[in-house]
Order: sequence, then C-alpha cells, then structure tokens
Amino acid sequence: DTGVSQNPRHKITKRGQNVTFRCDPISEHNRLYWYRQTLGQGPEFLTYFQNEAQLEKSRLLSDRFSAERPKGSFSTLEIQRTEQGDSAMYLCASSPGTGVYGYTFGSGTRLTVV
Amino acid sequence: DAKTTQPPSMDCAEGRAANLPCNHSTISGNEYVYWYRQIHSQGPQYIIHGLKNNETNEMASLIITEDRKSSTLILPHATLRDTAVYYCILMNYGGSQGNLIFGKGTKLSVKP
Repeated sequence: DTGVSQNPRHKITKRGQNVTFRCDPISEHNRLYWYRQTLGQGPEFLTYFQNEAQLEKSRLLSDRFSAERPKGSFSTLEIQRTEQGDSAMYLCASSPGTGVYGYTFGSGTRLTVV
Repeated sequence: DAKTTQPPSMDCAEGRAANLPCNHSTISGNEYVYWYRQIHSQGPQYIIHGLKNNETNEMASLIITEDRKSSTLILPHATLRDTAVYYCILMNYGGSQGNLIFGKGTKLSVKP
C-alpha cells in the first residue's frame, strides 16, 4: 500500500466551473476525512466518513460542496460553480475505524480558480 | 477553534535537540495530545500522540506535564529535513467525533 492517494495534484479552473477531486485511502482504513488549507493557515476540517456513511460536516461545507464515498472505498469531493475563494489545497486523510491512531494524509489537490 | 497555543516560530541548529512547546490548559480528561508536522507543499504527517504518560517513537519524544496542561515535542537531533510547521492538536476519541482541529502551529527552521 502506497498510502493515501489524491488526484489530480493540481487543478486550474475558471470561475463558475465544476471540479471533482478523488481520494483513495489506505485500503484497510474505515475512516476518511476531507480538509481544506489556505495559504498560511492550518488545515480546516470539511467532512468525514465512516465506511460509506458521512458522519459529520463542517459549516464550511456550503451547498456547493458535496462529498461521497460509495461502497466505503474511494471518495470524491465536488465543488459546483467554483468561486475564487475556493482556491486552496484540498487534503484527504484516512485512519482505522477504531482505536487511537494518527491520520495518514495524502499530498493534497491544489485548486486555483481564475 | 483550536484549543492549543504554540509559538509561531522557532529556530534550531542542525544536530541539536528541538524542543517545541504547546499549551493546552483546558484539556479534558479523555483528550489525547497529538503532534503532526507539515513540510512545505505536502500533507500533514503524524508524529506522535499521548494521553498522560511520556511517549517516544523513532521520530520524536512527547513530554506531557503531570497536570496535562502543557506538553513538549522533542526532536533529539534535528536535521534540515525537519524544517516544517509543527501542529499540536487535542483529540477526543469519544463517540463519533474524530476530526482534528488544527491551529497555526509552530514554524520550525533548522539551520546549518
């Protein structure tokens, strides 16, 4: 297993377009998390899944954002009608479902909205 | 909001120990102290965690005060590759909660 994989690594899109990011977690990890990070700030929590169930969503996750994790494997994060304020690094992490463990993060997808 | 306080930046000479402090005076009994670091343009990397006992692994040592209101991450022999932002985070594993709340961290610069 090569860890948490995120694709694409970079995405440039025009304002108003829709974008979708993919995250492949470590295969035996039940929990999957999405974070957003803007320049100079720590990562901010967006949402997380336990298997295929989305258990928590941050108020940062506006109605233009949607995340899915079909069959409890990979996850996608879609942003509709992108705005310049959506420009950020989008990070995915995974962890085992129970016990006290650290999260394993991917390298992120850097989104630039022009 | 983050429940921890860290200095915004620190310097350390290569080969010396780096001691990164963290204050968490409002920590509750079932909260763990976690440390992550983030090297430029990469995702955060888990370093170590503890509840009340001191912990050591191949990367670092974690010293938690007896009252648990503060902790120190120790990198025993800092290298240039340890230059990163270090985050101290409290984590409660009760119930269905499980998200990490990051603050701004400490930017550690290791200098030759």
